[in-house]
Amino acid sequence: GNSVTQMEGPVTLSEEAFLTINCTYTATGYPSLFWYVQYPGEGLQLLLKATKADDKGSNKGFEATYRKETTSFHLEKGSVQVSDSAVYFCALRRMNSGYSTLTFGKGTMLLVSP
Amino acid sequence: GAVVSQHPSRVICKSGTSVKIECRSLDFQATTMFWYRQFPKKSLMLMATSNEGSKATYEQGVEKDKFLINHASLTLSTLTVTSAHPEDSSFYICSARATPGQATGETQYFGPGTRLLVL
Repeated sequence: GNSVTQMEGPVTLSEEAFLTINCTYTATGYPSLFWYVQYPGEGLQLLLKATKADDKGSNKGFEATYRKETTSFHLEKGSVQVSDSAVYFCALRRMNSGYSTLTFGKGTMLLVSP
Repeated sequence: GAVVSQHPSRVICKSGTSVKIECRSLDFQATTMFWYRQFPKKSLMLMATSNEGSKATYEQGVEKDKFLINHASLTLSTLTVTSAHPEDSSFYICSARATPGQATGETQYFGPGTRLLVL
């Protein structure tokens, strides 16, 4: 079946440090891949996405490249800020009875200190 | 941008009672709404998908008589946990996807979640 595995958290970094959150997936066919972010007390928000192999999604300084050969979609940011502290979810979109649904990883909490 | 709200944000109830959670799309029409359940340190688990005006499609292992879903309008879906028990305590999250053709496209917009505690 379809599944998403992401690194356990929390990831604790100092401001301006480099961030990597690993995500790998198992899926049939060619899923679309997403990163969602959940800030404290808020709903999940789409951060970035990629719909085919070698696509790079980017937003707010974050980026992730769809790597089909390694079935990965790692999230990176060159210099994190305190305001980036949140839970990050990797997800893939699959077709289910004619419409698409999302399968999520467990989420990785990021804590950035000043 | 597109906003999805949930009400209540948290609820405490006695075992055996029923609890209704509302999910509303505030500034767009949602043909499809999704209900998820999130366990501590676990991923979001899709419970069911509902399309406006039709019966919800439940994921394997989710009891449809236990978790009643109604999607009566393009802006409102409700999840009713019937005869709630302590094991139903969880964080319930809804999301909504706009009607095809609207600017919001295929993107799912998520509500802030509802924390249910059954005593």
